[in-house]
Amino acid sequence: AQKITQTQPGMFVQEKEAVTLDCTYDTSDQSYGLFWYKQPSSGEMIFLIYQGSYDEQNATEGRYSLNFQKARKSANLVISASQLGDSAMYFCAMREGSTGGFKTIFGAGTRLFVKA
Amino acid sequence: DTEVTQTPKHLVMGMTNKKSLKCEQHMGHRAMYWYKQKAKKPPELMFVYSYEKLSINESVPSRFSPECPNSSLLNLHLHALQPEDSALYLCASSQNSGQTYEQYFGPGTRLTVT
Repeated sequence: AQKITQTQPGMFVQEKEAVTLDCTYDTSDQSYGLFWYKQPSSGEMIFLIYQGSYDEQNATEGRYSLNFQKARKSANLVISASQLGDSAMYFCAMREGSTGGFKTIFGAGTRLFVKA
Repeated sequence: DTEVTQTPKHLVMGMTNKKSLKCEQHMGHRAMYWYKQKAKKPPELMFVYSYEKLSINESVPSRFSPECPNSSLLNLHLHALQPEDSALYLCASSQNSGQTYEQYFGPGTRLTVT
């Protein structure tokens, strides 16, 4: 069974608007970390934001925020005021405490296109 | 300085060649990783080197072999590769291997096996 599910293969958003990228996960661990990474066409993976399973507040980093709904096992990324440079592939990822955090499990990714 | 460097950026090699990919970080991180990423797919973990211990994804063929000369370097030796090994190879590091630590990735090496 997939542990990280990103149901949106591609998304379009108008410049300056907000966009939500969906991510659901499946784990029986109580302790885990959730991450979002951005991958531009150049190939480098860029860390965006982290949410710990015990964190009660939603994580925020600048224009990025993570809508964490633990009971629903969802960790959606919200990008506010989209910019043309936000066009990229976005991966949701999880590291489980039971594996010592060794293995990062990535979702299939969502490609975001920002329109001028 | 959150930087992971990888060399070379591009590599073309024949199936009988031996080559090495290099990865270096100067952030004092204790865990380093190699990933393989095929086009339009997420990265797949190949190896983890953490606290002087190597963990291997058992599905990785033996023609890939990692080497950790010191805590800031993680090389990937390639030998007798197949065309299906052509991919983007990403190196990453994290402060620790625990689940709360984000990974920092290098720019990748685009490998083509002919």
